Amino acid sequence: QTVVTQEPSFSVSPGGTVTLTCGLSSGSVSTGHSPGWYQQTPGQAPRTLIYNTNTRSSGIPDRFSGSILGNKAALTITGAQADDESDYYCVLYMGSGIWLFGGGTKLTVL
Amino acid sequence: EVQLLESGGGLVQPGGSLRLSCAASGFTFSSYAMNWVRQAPGRGLEWVSRLSGSGGTTTYADSVKGRFTISRDNSKNTLYLQMDSLRAEDTAVYYCAKSEGRWVWGQGTLVTVSS
Repeated sequence: QTVVTQEPSFSVSPGGTVTLTCGLSSGSVSTGHSPGWYQQTPGQAPRTLIYNTNTRSSGIPDRFSGSILGNKAALTITGAQADDESDYYCVLYMGSGIWLFGGGTKLTVL
Repeated sequence: EVQLLESGGGLVQPGGSLRLSCAASGFTFSSYAMNWVRQAPGRGLEWVSRLSGSGGTTTYADSVKGRFTISRDNSKNTLYLQMDSLRAEDTAVYYCAKSEGRWVWGQGTLVTVSS
């Protein structure tokens, strides 16, 4: 059973840069997995930040960027702000109509 | 503007059934695959099911296969999720989502399975 892996938690200082990753329990993540990244605060629906690896959703500031780093998808936040403190989820397309979400990363800005 | 509005959630006893609906607007509904994604209380997102734009191809997560049925009515721009043999572990907020390119999410509807 393939699992999508994310760091459970991460901390960044205000103004700092952080890179969250999204991997596979077996194998490498590629652009073919169409990685997506979502931000979610408690009680709210997810908000799409990045889709198709590195395409920023409309209205998302350019300090959010997506990429493939090594064998993982990555979300980089530069110039972190207090309101970036949220849960971040990645999703990968596994083929045959199946999507898999990672377990999420809780980002703390302090 | 693309909008998705879920409805049909509520409290149901274990073993019971519920049908969720998702009304779509702002795009050509029949041209896009649609998904259901759920989130149990305090847990992460879990993809549940996907249906092609024509309605001809369905896929399900193993956790719901054989119990849930996804369908759509393209004349009504509406996506459905029929949930049967519900279990306590199906308790979650259920989101519908358009997934081709940029994912677009509804606001979710809460399903509680409890006696």
